[in-house]
Parts: sequence; C-alpha cells; structure tokens
Amino acid sequence: NAGVTQTPKFQVLKTGQSMTLQCAQDMNHNSMYWYRQDPGMGLRLIYYSASEGTTDKGEVPNGYNVSRLNKREFSLRLESAAPSQTSVYFCASSARLVGAGEQYFGPGTRLTVT
Amino acid sequence: QQQVKQSPQSLIVQKGGISIINCAYENTAFDYFPWYQQFPGKGPALLIAIRPDVSEKKEGRFTISFNKSAKQFSLHIMDSQPGDSATYFCAAGGNDMRFGAGTRLTVKP
Repeated sequence: NAGVTQTPKFQVLKTGQSMTLQCAQDMNHNSMYWYRQDPGMGLRLIYYSASEGTTDKGEVPNGYNVSRLNKREFSLRLESAAPSQTSVYFCASSARLVGAGEQYFGPGTRLTVT
Repeated sequence: QQQVKQSPQSLIVQKGGISIINCAYENTAFDYFPWYQQFPGKGPALLIAIRPDVSEKKEGRFTISFNKSAKQFSLHIMDSQPGDSATYFCAAGGNDMRFGAGTRLTVKP
C-alpha cells in the first residue's frame, strides 16, 4: 500500500517548456488535490477533483490544467512554464471532499523553472 | 489575501516544555480545522483536527483549542520532544482548504 505517489521527484524546466506532473493513489479515495508550496506561504490549492470526472479551480489555478484520468490518477500540466511556477508541488487525496475528512499527501515534486 | 494567519513563524522550545502555535481565520463558513506536521523533504501529514462544534480536542500530547467567536484556534504540544521538531501548518476550510504560512518548531534537548 503505497498511499499517494508522485512522479517525478525533481524537475528542471526552461521558461516556455511544458510538462505533466503525475499523481496516483491506491486508497480508493474519491477526491484528489494539487497544491503548491512556496516559502512563507504555506500550501495553496491549485485544482481539486471531488470525484472521478469532475475538476474545480482552487486558489491559484492560472497557468495550470488538470486531468482526472480515472479514480486513481490525477495529473497536473504546465503548458508554458514560467519562473513564477518554481515551487514544490504536492498531490493529496481524501476519501471525500476535504471538509469531511483527512487528506493524505504525496512526497512532492520539486520544480525549478529557469 | 491570506485567509489564515499563523504565528509565530518559528519557535524554539526546550525538551519537556509546551509548544503553542496560533492561527486566526476570516471566513465564518469554514467548518474544518486541521493541523499538519511536515518533516523536511516529506509531504504534510495530518496531526489532529477539530470541527467548530467543540472547543477543545486532545490526542495524546497534542491539543487543539478552538474559539469560534474570536475565529482563532491553537495547537498545544505538551512535553515537547526533539522528535517533534518539524514545520506545523494550520488550515481551515470546507471543500476548499486555506493553509497558514507554517511554524518551524525546534525542540532543544
């Protein structure tokens, strides 16, 4: 039982390049989330998926897109990376929408955009 | 704007002492208030959480105190241990969570 896994662990991009961050959970959770963590700012929600087939914007969605591929997988795409997107990205999942239950976080992806 | 304000930014406590971290929120619609613990290089992990219908919740050495009228809640770590040294985040919300900026706790042996 791996919990929440994320790939890659580290990534360096040049401005304008694109990439997809992958996330998978094996806990049969309905809801999944993408956060970014920046120094002094805590975690900020980018997008979330309450259930398979649905996605909603969080606090900071600009510059990102998401896909809930199936119940297990939720990917985050940067179409044209910018230095402001340098951050640590965390995926999380919960049995149901966050207000009703615990979120489980993955180990994070450290992204640098030069 | 920051909807959840957390203080202090950093905290140093002696082993056996009490660590206290405070948070204040703005949105009265928030109905779930968790605290997360994060070690370097790891994702946050839920420590303890409370809902606004109770004023206090205790789990082992960790206690949340909640003041609905003041829109404030705090984490108390009793008998703090060096292994508690980590960054602690408060959060508040419903479907859409807002996190505080974090408190780096150092417990000196």
